[in-house]
Amino acid sequence: GDSVTQMEGPVTLSEEAFLTINCTYTATGYPSLFWYVQYPGEGLQLLLKATKADDKGSNKGFEATYRKETTSFHLEKGSVQVSDSAVYFCALNPRGNEKLTFGTGTRLTIIP
Amino acid sequence: DSGVTQTPKHLITATGQRVTLRCSPRSGDLSVYWYQQSLDQGLQFLIQYYNGEERAKGNILERFSAQQFPDLHSELNLSSLELGDSALYFCASSVAADTQYFGPGTRLTVL
Repeated sequence: GDSVTQMEGPVTLSEEAFLTINCTYTATGYPSLFWYVQYPGEGLQLLLKATKADDKGSNKGFEATYRKETTSFHLEKGSVQVSDSAVYFCALNPRGNEKLTFGTGTRLTIIP
Repeated sequence: DSGVTQTPKHLITATGQRVTLRCSPRSGDLSVYWYQQSLDQGLQFLIQYYNGEERAKGNILERFSAQQFPDLHSELNLSSLELGDSALYFCASSVAADTQYFGPGTRLTVL
């Protein structure tokens, strides 16, 4: 079945550091890929998405590229801020308009 | 703000009781999804409705049921509650495309 494997957390970085959170997936066909973010005490917010191979999703300085050959969708940001502290979830939707399969989430803490 | 609303925000109840969680999707979205977020199971898909009809089922217990009404709002009913049902319950909605927008969640505590 479909699955998403995410980098184990927690991750602690200093402000302005470079961030990478690894995500790999297993799915048949060509799924759509997503990153969601959950700030403390809040719901899930869509951060970015990519729907086909080599697409790059980007938002708020975060980027992720859909790599079909390595079945990966790693999240990156060049310079993190304290306000980026949250839990990040990688997810896939196998064929559109279907259930999302989530990774386990990575807790990110940014220290000033 | 995603445009998806959920009520109540918090719910505290006792074992054996029954509760109803409500979700209003974004305007125009026909699909509603329910997910459970717990510490041990992570985010798990429960059930999907599309325009009033059940579309897909995930790891939903028999004690749980859902429906989507003609105005497209949805309710998730949880009965014979157990301690292990304590979790965050999210509703999400989408139009025909694959992007799902999540509500703020209902935190259920079973004592």
